[in-house]
Amino acid sequence: LAKTTQPISMDSYEGQEVNITCSHNNIATNDYITWYQQFPSQGPRFIIQGYKTKVTNEVASLFIPADRKSSTLSLPRVSLSDTAVYYCPVNSGNTGKLIFGQGTTLQVKP
Amino acid sequence: KAGVTQTPRYLIKTRGQQVTLSCSPISGHRSVSWYQQTPGQGLQFLFEYFSETQRNKGNFPGRFSGRQFSNSRSEMNVSTLELGDSALYLCASSLDTSVGDTQYFGPGTRLTVL
Repeated sequence: LAKTTQPISMDSYEGQEVNITCSHNNIATNDYITWYQQFPSQGPRFIIQGYKTKVTNEVASLFIPADRKSSTLSLPRVSLSDTAVYYCPVNSGNTGKLIFGQGTTLQVKP
Repeated sequence: KAGVTQTPRYLIKTRGQQVTLSCSPISGHRSVSWYQQTPGQGLQFLFEYFSETQRNKGNFPGRFSGRQFSNSRSEMNVSTLELGDSALYLCASSLDTSVGDTQYFGPGTRLTVL
């Protein structure tokens, strides 16, 4: 099963762009890459999902290289409210099992 | 559309008791997955239900069980509670995970075992 690795923590300042990279070395052919944001004592909130290349929505962009062994979540112009834990679980394509790593705690400073 | 709802939001039990948690998926979603989140182990998959059948199961003891009803609502049960079962229990729903559909999480049930 694929396992994900992310930096434990990152600091940023308001208004900056933040890029969080996730490594998923043995991702399977039919696995999707999904990013979630979680605030304390709340459920993870879906941010973005992709399979390859680049995906963009109203809140973030997701970059996936051709070998799909990593992905990068890009948050443009972060604000204090973006302080949270970010996860990049791998979605095993034929099951309902999301495999979570330890997540990245993003601290946005004023 | 209403999101995933979980009840109760908070629960306090004592060791040896059992507990039942409930999850109502987003309307139209047929898959419900359950996860346990603890500070030490992080987010761990418990099981997934689709069309009232358990389709996948994580590495948890048999004290953890679940079921799904015909309206896709799901319950999970933990029997003979242990202190280590204290956790945030999350459920997530999707249209059908077998085709990579996105899972949407509920707010969770915070279980404290004393």
